[in-house]
Amino acid sequence: EAQLVESGGGLVQPGGSLRLSCAASGFTFSSYEMNWIRLAPGRGLEWVSYISGVGKTINYADSVKGRFTVSRDNAKNSLYLQMNSLKADDKGVYYCVRAIVGTFWYFDLWGRGTLVTVSS
Amino acid sequence: QSVLTQPPSASGTPGQRVTISCSGSSSNIGGNPVIWHRQFPGTAPKLLIYGSDQRPSGVPDRFSGSRSGTSASLAISGLQSDDEADYYCATWDDNLNGPVFGGGTTLTVL
Repeated sequence: EAQLVESGGGLVQPGGSLRLSCAASGFTFSSYEMNWIRLAPGRGLEWVSYISGVGKTINYADSVKGRFTVSRDNAKNSLYLQMNSLKADDKGVYYCVRAIVGTFWYFDLWGRGTLVTVSS
Repeated sequence: QSVLTQPPSASGTPGQRVTISCSGSSSNIGGNPVIWHRQFPGTAPKLLIYGSDQRPSGVPDRFSGSRSGTSASLAISGLQSDDEADYYCATWDDNLNGPVFGGGTTLTVL
């Protein structure tokens, strides 16, 4: 069964850093485009970042550009999100999400999420 | 402030049909198909509709989606108590070059 499991969340002070990880299993990880999407209190779901299957194409939401870095290690079936200069607005549950791209584009597999809290 | 606009809440009684709207612009809904997710508290979102009106396998035909111009809607017929959840629309935005979401609609079954 295809599965995504996030880890690495926690409490961090404003200006601090965190590295999120996502372990994929049950499917050919390198064949899929991956995303980080967060659920922020009172703001709903927000797309954070995207990376193509081989990692050549990367994109970020304007709100995190220059502070977050997405990467993947297909040999380890893992997706990462390095978050620097964290702000209070970055608080939320971060989901690792698989995307289907073809005739239709959509998110078909979500992890259970990892909670990031930014507070002093 | 979400790029796509959804009503914050909706409600209905068991058996009723309810519709949740999602409004955007020419750079997103106006030119791209819409997806809908449902999320129960504390769990991951689940895909309900893709391609504006396509249901993944396993999603009951009580759920249907449509898109017209720069708006989309999700209809739920035969409302059940366990349909109480948050519902999110999303699509691709050509100007932002990334996916955008609505703010979510909390559905209450009275």
